[in-house]
Amino acid sequence: DSGVTQTPKHLITATGQRVTLRCSPRSGDLSVYWYQQSLDQGLQFLIQYYNGEERAKGNILERFSAQQFPDLHSELNLSSLELGDSALYFCASSVGGFPAETQYFGPGTRLLVL
Amino acid sequence: DQQVKQNSPSLSVQEGRISILNCDYTNSMFDYFLWYKKYPAEGPTFLISISSIKDKNEDGRFTVFLNKSAKHLSLHIVPSQPGDSAVYFCAASALGGSQGNLIFGKGTKLSVKP
Repeated sequence: DSGVTQTPKHLITATGQRVTLRCSPRSGDLSVYWYQQSLDQGLQFLIQYYNGEERAKGNILERFSAQQFPDLHSELNLSSLELGDSALYFCASSVGGFPAETQYFGPGTRLLVL
Repeated sequence: DQQVKQNSPSLSVQEGRISILNCDYTNSMFDYFLWYKKYPAEGPTFLISISSIKDKNEDGRFTVFLNKSAKHLSLHIVPSQPGDSAVYFCAASALGGSQGNLIFGKGTKLSVKP
């Protein structure tokens, strides 16, 4: 158990809909990262938050947005969903947010868009 | 364009033998490399890392080798055990940067047969 929790575990929705994925980092970790893993793809970095502020942006679509709240949990919002958004979405956390730190991953949310 | 490549999608090894997983990268700015292991239905877990000032890092049965001139790294597992069966991801980042996002390869599925 990494100490990072993600809810829900599974999500099935229809095209055009909007969903929210939730992540609670390990106690004491200030950074939260979001990754997408599609079929046959590696983990694609989406976005990083550090202590409530956006720190780095990766391959995140404009239809996607995220935020980190004062209690440090984070939400990833996916809107106008398309079939191609079906994927595993992982959240990770680390203490300070630098590459030399270990990132601890949650179990992921599996999203299926029908 | 993939900056981190794991060209072998799968590898099968006999228990007790050596497992060698390979990873190539194209970005010469990368100076910190990590290996993560992932079991089904779980998030990736950190295994071992190496910075570009070293060419080898060892942790128990796991050793990572870095060849900067060839932009190549490898993970050696000796001896391999059935519990090592998992997907292994190579990841890279630029330590000189201030951000913690990692670039992952697509993974290699290791099967260790008893």
